[in-house]
Amino acid sequence: DAGVIQSPRHEVTEMGQEVTLRCKPISGHNSLFWYRQTMMRGLELLIYFNNNVPIDDSGMPEDRFSAKMPNASFSTLKIQPSEPRDSAVYFCASSFAWGGVAGDYEQFFGPGTRLTVL
Amino acid sequence: GNSVTQMEGPVTLSEEAFLTINCTYTATGYPSLFWYVQYPGEGLQLLLKATKADDKGSNKGFEATYRKETTSFHLEKGSVQVSDSAVYFCALRTGTGANNLFFGTGTRLTVIP
Repeated sequence: DAGVIQSPRHEVTEMGQEVTLRCKPISGHNSLFWYRQTMMRGLELLIYFNNNVPIDDSGMPEDRFSAKMPNASFSTLKIQPSEPRDSAVYFCASSFAWGGVAGDYEQFFGPGTRLTVL
Repeated sequence: GNSVTQMEGPVTLSEEAFLTINCTYTATGYPSLFWYVQYPGEGLQLLLKATKADDKGSNKGFEATYRKETTSFHLEKGSVQVSDSAVYFCALRTGTGANNLFFGTGTRLTVIP
């Protein structure tokens, strides 16, 4: 298996531009997570999906951030408009959970997208 | 609420030294506990886990014991190698039906030859 795939690996953009980060989870996994990692705040959960449905988006910073999962094999995290304080590494992770009940499972992380907003 | 507190780094050790990274937690219910490792330029990888009190997780020479009485899950290794240099994250999952993990802030370990 190729693991969790994220694209792009690096993104440099200017303030005010729209940024779209992409994630392909491991085939067969039914939970998908978006995290943000910064030096100041560490690793923060932004949102997670079960069976393509957003379950908890309380970590999304503000309305400029949105995430979608149109099918089991693809998810996007969009920032519009972007700001310099959005600069961070964004990780996508996936896992398999039995029937929505928490089980003894592992989250598999992608390599991350390093976003720089100038 | 749910939270994880890790010892602050960075930690610098000589090769073959003994490693301890402290982790304590606050959680509702009966959490599962995890240690993840992040090597430079990579995503996090599961290192070990424990799902109930007194369980010991172990992998690659690392160990951690789930101590309910002290709400701790300290990571240990008897003899570190240069290749162990990474950032280590302690995490918990509450097991209440939610799938999300709560991570500590991470501890950077550097092992020098």
